[in-house]
Amino acid sequence: DSGVTQTPKHLITATGQRVTLRCSPRSGDLSVYWYQQSLDQGLQFLIQYYNGEERAKGNILERFSAQQFPDLHSELNLSSLELGDSALYFCASSVSIAEYTGELFFGEGSRLTVL
Amino acid sequence: DAKTTQPNSMESNEEEPVHLPCNHSTISGTDYIHWYRQLPSQGPEYVIHGLTSNVNNRMASLAIAEDRKSSTLILHRATLRDAAVYYCILRVGSSNTGKLIFGQGTTLQVKP
Repeated sequence: DSGVTQTPKHLITATGQRVTLRCSPRSGDLSVYWYQQSLDQGLQFLIQYYNGEERAKGNILERFSAQQFPDLHSELNLSSLELGDSALYFCASSVSIAEYTGELFFGEGSRLTVL
Repeated sequence: DAKTTQPNSMESNEEEPVHLPCNHSTISGTDYIHWYRQLPSQGPEYVIHGLTSNVNNRMASLAIAEDRKSSTLILHRATLRDAAVYYCILRVGSSNTGKLIFGQGTTLQVKP
């Protein structure tokens, strides 16, 4: 158990819909990362938040957005869903950046299926 | 981000050592070398990381070439549980973000 909690574990929805994935980082971790893993693209970095502020952005679509709340949990919002958005979405957390130990702790992922 | 090259797949026998290679010829002086692995149906997990010197921990050893253009992850005695995708990743040491960019990794198969 990494200490990172993601909900829901599984989600099935239809094209055009909007979903929200939630991540609770390990206690004390200030940084949250979102990754997408699909069969043809591998693990893709989407976005990172540090203590409530966006720190780095990857290949995140404009239809996707994220935020980190004052209690440090994070949400990834996916809208106007397409079939190609079906994937595993992982959240990871780390202690901080200044004291970066080299380790990201990943959750078990949220599996999104778009029909 | 500097690129790494790993074999697509490797096989090993249970209880034998495994050496997983990684080439990173464009590594810069401040890049850290990280290894993560992903077991089936799980999120990636940290294995080990290093900068210049060889590193050991309870999971594995990391051997870094003197010119830092390659490294090898060593599993001393492979078990069936070690069957996973192993990712070699470079992280810019001077970066203000801890993000990691994953490549395709090496799929390790362990035979009983």
